[in-house]
Amino acid sequence: GENVEQHPSTLSVQEGDSAVIKCTYSDSASNYFPWYKQELGKRPQLIIDIRSNVGEKKDQRIAVTLNKTAKHFSLHITETQPEDSAVYFCAAPNTDKLIFGTGTRLQVFP
Amino acid sequence: DAGVIQSPRHEVTEMGQEVTLRCKPISGHNSLFWYRQTMMRGLELLIYFNNNVPIDDSGMPEDRFSAKMPNASFSTLKIQPSEPRDSAVYFCASTLQWNTEAFFGQGTRLTVV
Repeated sequence: GENVEQHPSTLSVQEGDSAVIKCTYSDSASNYFPWYKQELGKRPQLIIDIRSNVGEKKDQRIAVTLNKTAKHFSLHITETQPEDSAVYFCAAPNTDKLIFGTGTRLQVFP
Repeated sequence: DAGVIQSPRHEVTEMGQEVTLRCKPISGHNSLFWYRQTMMRGLELLIYFNNNVPIDDSGMPEDRFSAKMPNASFSTLKIQPSEPRDSAVYFCASTLQWNTEAFFGQGTRLTVV
């Protein structure tokens, strides 16, 4: 079955620094790769996604890169701010099954 | 649309009691997912439905857990009998199709004492 591994499990950065979270997946048939952000006490919400026909997608301070050959994709946050502090989840849905990575707790210190 | 609606928001029950969690997906969405979230295990997929039909329940931890989707606008997750280790936040999510955004409900925080 599909397996999604996410690293690191925790990440602490200084405000203004960049943060990178990486996910690897097992099913080569996967072609849609979303990232979700979950703030404390709230529900997960989509922040960015990428499809396999592109290698990179940006939206202001966040970007996602995809390497289909190596079966990994990464979330990049530049110029981090305290409000970026949250748990981030990747997913690599295969057909109709939506399984998430184990999550990365990001802390941005002022 | 009001989004995915879950009820109750909080549930405290005694061990051995039956618990029923409810979910109303976004109108028109074809897939519905139930997740359990704990600190130790993250977001676990319990079961999901396509067009009201259960597709994969391999994530359901035990026979004490069951889920139904009698129509396109309603699903339930039942735990009978409940145990303290079932304490977690349970999320319901719906999507238009598998490769589009999943919208989560606000979750039900279950505490079994």
